Amino acid sequence: EIQMTQSPSTLSASVGDRVTITCRASQFISTWLAWYQQRPGEAPQLLIYEASALQSGVPSRFSGSGSGTEFTLTISSLQPDDFATYYCQQYKTFGAFGQGTKVEIE
Amino acid sequence: QVQLVQSGAEVKKPGSSLKVSCKTSGGSFSSFAVSWMRQAPGQGLEWMGGIIPIFHTPNYAQKFQGRITISADESTDTAYMEVISLRSDDTAVYYCARGGLPRDYYYMDVWGKGTTVTVSS
Repeated sequence: EIQMTQSPSTLSASVGDRVTITCRASQFISTWLAWYQQRPGEAPQLLIYEASALQSGVPSRFSGSGSGTEFTLTISSLQPDDFATYYCQQYKTFGAFGQGTKVEIE
Repeated sequence: QVQLVQSGAEVKKPGSSLKVSCKTSGGSFSSFAVSWMRQAPGQGLEWMGGIIPIFHTPNYAQKFQGRITISADESTDTAYMEVISLRSDDTAVYYCARGGLPRDYYYMDVWGKGTTVTVSS
């Protein structure tokens, strides 16, 4: 099975900061990668699919890049609504998630 | 728009079994994968398995092989997941979600609200 590893596990930042989260796959997954945001008590929401495609309705401050085994999610200017946990997920073979990155207020 | 409606919260005894449902409304059911995930308290998301109803064959993560059964009823647009031999560490929120494109497992763009399952004696 494909394993996904995110870093960091926790990230402290302030409103307006540029934030980058990294996701690494244990084997080649091309661009079959999605990013989700989860706020406490809520179901996850899709942000990015196919590594860099922005889901409809998602603000343009979110962007994704990468291919193969290394991927990044970038928030260009952190907003109060963005303090949440972010997960990557590969879908080359079924689905496996990274362990999550919690973005908290510094 | 497409919605996934999950069954209600459950409290179960250790050793018992659980069956959670996930009904699709407002869109096509048979061609789209329905995946099941769980999230233990304070923990991350785990993909447990899924099914594409028109293909009838479920797929399971290795960790859950033999302990879960995923099925789909095309007459009611409802997917099910059964977990047997429940343990306290099965306490979690269980989510279903639908694949964003048909006929394979893709990113998941529609999620149910989750079913809280508590396993306690």
